[in-house]
Amino acid sequence: GAVVSQHPSWVICKSGTSVKIECRSLDFQATTMFWYRQFPKQSLMLMATSNEGSKATYEQGVEKDKFLINHASLTLSTLTVTSAHPEDSSFYICSARDTLGGWSYEQYFGPGTRLTVT
Amino acid sequence: EDKVVQSPLSLVVHEGDTVTLNCSYEVTNFRSLLWYKQEKKAPTFLFMLTSSGIEKKSGRLSSILDKKELFSILNITATQTGDSAIYLCAVGSDNQGGKLIFGQGTELSVKP
Repeated sequence: GAVVSQHPSWVICKSGTSVKIECRSLDFQATTMFWYRQFPKQSLMLMATSNEGSKATYEQGVEKDKFLINHASLTLSTLTVTSAHPEDSSFYICSARDTLGGWSYEQYFGPGTRLTVT
Repeated sequence: EDKVVQSPLSLVVHEGDTVTLNCSYEVTNFRSLLWYKQEKKAPTFLFMLTSSGIEKKSGRLSSILDKKELFSILNITATQTGDSAIYLCAVGSDNQGGKLIFGQGTELSVKP
């Protein structure tokens, strides 16, 4: 149980284009999902908290107009990197919390999406 | 400011060795501490600790939390090459609205 999928697993795009990454909880409902990015040899950096049916909460320094988050259902959140630039190249990971079973800090991570902007 | 610090940042051992990874934290309204293992992809869950002094064990891995001294350790006995990974420690706090605060990670390399 508690499986989270991400699609695509890797993507290469040209500078200036937009890329959408999907995060799905497959066997549980997640009112809250989190989006992280990770640079090589570094830890996870939280970008934003995605809440079903409401606006995402962005961490300080993260541009909300550049990283658009939509959490339209209890099993799906999307991250769109708009007007991507090479410095946006990174490993993007989503996680979800199974909140319907009671409060827990345990987060289940998706397999990640490797984005390369050329 | 809430923070989580792991040590060492990297470690190289040989198969069969026992290793201890450390995680200390300064977090207000602490709720839980979690350990994750990250190989090539996203982190996989190992343990969640909420109470002091109660060891959690899974095979060769074990972990314990000390809420008085604000730290946790992750022990791996009889290490194998498959244990090579980055081990992440994260803390959940009531102040953070369900977010986890991650440490920098410890990169463990187990040589044959």
